[in-house]
Amino acid sequence: QKEVEQDPGPLSVPEGAIVSLNCTYSNSAFQYFMWYRQYSRKGPELLMYTYSSGNKEDGRFTAQVDKSSKYISLFIRDSQPSDSATYLCAMSPGAGSYQLTFGKGTKLSVIP
Amino acid sequence: NAGVTQTPKFRILKIGQSMTLQCTQDMNHNYMYWYRQDPGMGLKLIYYSVGAGITDKGEVPNGYNVSRSTTEDFPLRLELAAPSQTSVYFCASSYTKQGLNTEAFFGQGTRLTVV
Repeated sequence: QKEVEQDPGPLSVPEGAIVSLNCTYSNSAFQYFMWYRQYSRKGPELLMYTYSSGNKEDGRFTAQVDKSSKYISLFIRDSQPSDSATYLCAMSPGAGSYQLTFGKGTKLSVIP
Repeated sequence: NAGVTQTPKFRILKIGQSMTLQCTQDMNHNYMYWYRQDPGMGLKLIYYSVGAGITDKGEVPNGYNVSRSTTEDFPLRLELAAPSQTSVYFCASSYTKQGLNTEAFFGQGTRLTVV
């Protein structure tokens, strides 16, 4: 079993839809969870950064972590064509750790 | 403030050639990283550095070397290029705040093809 599993998609949704992106993981030591957005031919940029279980909201984006199920999610409300990108989940073991383990990424297209 | 700058953006190498991918950051970050991204495979850590003069191997270090003589620069050296090294290479940097590692800032990537 890979450490981090992420459905690669592609995922295509109409503008205005709610998007749900998910990752599962097997390493119970992971404590920090991140979502990166990567536009085509660009470097990843951080969207959300959460520690431990719970929800975190930032504008149209909500990150959710369920450590008991080893499952993390990113929700995008009122999706826009500008949200079309690949979304990568990433996680690391704990405070002071700097080695991120990435999922393979989910390619999202938001159709106008 | 340019962030993380990588050069070159594109390169084609012949099998057996060598080259250096340059990476520099102007944010005074202590941590720097090299990742490779293959299609549909996510990012894999090649090497990382926690400060000038200190480097360590990541998940896929074979065929690569790094050095960190300054805080700003973290070049990646490919010796004897092989087709398996065809990939997109990303350099990143981050810093610690109250003992916690913060977000990694990525460069724009170097697309390398080995033929």
